[in-house]
Amino acid sequence: QVQLVQSGAEVKKPGASVKVSCKASGYTLTSYDINWVRQATGQGLEWMGWMNPNSGNTGYAQKFQGRITMTGNASISTVYMELSGLTSEDTAVYYCARRTSRVTSIDYWGQGTLVSVSS
Amino acid sequence: DIQMTQSPSAMSASVGDRVTITCRASQGITSYLAWFQQKPGQVPKRLIYASSNLQSGVPSRFSGSGSGTEFTLTISNLQPEDIATYYCLQHNFYPLTFGGGTKVEIK
Repeated sequence: QVQLVQSGAEVKKPGASVKVSCKASGYTLTSYDINWVRQATGQGLEWMGWMNPNSGNTGYAQKFQGRITMTGNASISTVYMELSGLTSEDTAVYYCARRTSRVTSIDYWGQGTLVSVSS
Repeated sequence: DIQMTQSPSAMSASVGDRVTITCRASQGITSYLAWFQQKPGQVPKRLIYASSNLQSGVPSRFSGSGSGTEFTLTISNLQPEDIATYYCLQHNFYPLTFGGGTKVEIK
């Protein structure tokens, strides 16, 4: 069965960077895009960007341009999302999610990774 | 970027009621609109994709419709287990955009 398993919770200081991993199983990672979505406590879902693990192509929401990087290692079926210049506003649960096609959209989600930013 | 305006932001209904949630896109997205259900502390779950396609395993009381810029999610017979926040997502083009969410409560 398809699973996306993310790395564990992180606590960071303001100004630091965080790198969250997302390991895919049950399908071939390079077949579909991986998207990243975050959710601050009590808030809505916010789309951050996408990566095609086959081509390495990425696209980021304008809000995060310049401080977000998505990478992948197909040999271990894992993608990464790194966010730099953290502030308290970045405290949120970060999800990776598989997008199978323009028609079918996002189907499977990772379990989420809580990133807390505090001095 | 396409903006998604979802309404209402919250609502209260009785068990058995018909519930309708609306999403409006700032520009046409053909039929590429999905609906997700998120219960407290849980990961979002896809209910519908491409406007009206029901995800396998989702109860048939959930249905979606619309095209272009206006879309609706209908819960035909609200059940206690439907208490959740519902989000729309336009998946026509990147960047994807979510609606602000609708919190559904039981009266």
